[in-house]
Amino acid sequence: DAKTTQPPSMDCAEGRAANLPCNHSTISGNEYVYWYRQIHSQGPQYIIHGLKNNETNEMASLIITEDRKSSTLILPHATLRDTAVYYCIAGATNSGGSNYKLTFGKGTLLTVNP
Amino acid sequence: DGGITQSPKYLFRKEGQNVTLSCEQNLNHDAMYWYRQDPGQGLRLIYYSQIVNDFQKGDIAEGYSVSREKKESFPLTVTSAQKNPTAFYLCASSVFTGNTIYFGEGSWLTVV
Repeated sequence: DAKTTQPPSMDCAEGRAANLPCNHSTISGNEYVYWYRQIHSQGPQYIIHGLKNNETNEMASLIITEDRKSSTLILPHATLRDTAVYYCIAGATNSGGSNYKLTFGKGTLLTVNP
Repeated sequence: DGGITQSPKYLFRKEGQNVTLSCEQNLNHDAMYWYRQDPGQGLRLIYYSQIVNDFQKGDIAEGYSVSREKKESFPLTVTSAQKNPTAFYLCASSVFTGNTIYFGEGSWLTVV
């Protein structure tokens, strides 16, 4: 799996967009970028994933740079319930390969403030 | 409701006792996983199973055992050989290994 680098913490005002960055400069061509989040004492929740195109779902948007060395998760209108640790993972192949080792680092603690 | 159910949520055991954590999924997923998380840390893979009656060791399998007799069930036994068993344990599943992984709510194990 490619190594990812995330800031340890970020703050965001309620109602504003939260932009969480992730660097994955060693990502290979067939590796996806996955985002999960974990609220304290709960299991990680899948948010979104992408290969090279930008992706959007009901929870968030994922912007991947053209060289695929970094990405940004966007929560368009952050709420207090979005306070969590956000994990960026690069390496799952999503093609029947051995992504069993989703390597979760320490992630970014996003705190949404009222 | 479809999902992954772990039980119990909180478990206390005396040192030297084996304990089994339950994980059941009704998502019809072939692959299942057990992860361990220590406070403030990331997740570490204990065991995974790609299909019924098959399982493989992850990064920290020592002191743990699993079985996969049914597609929907993947129980984890924490044995007395595990030196530091107190942790948050997460079960997960995916359609197959290599597909998006979904997690249960976790089980807190405290050994005293």
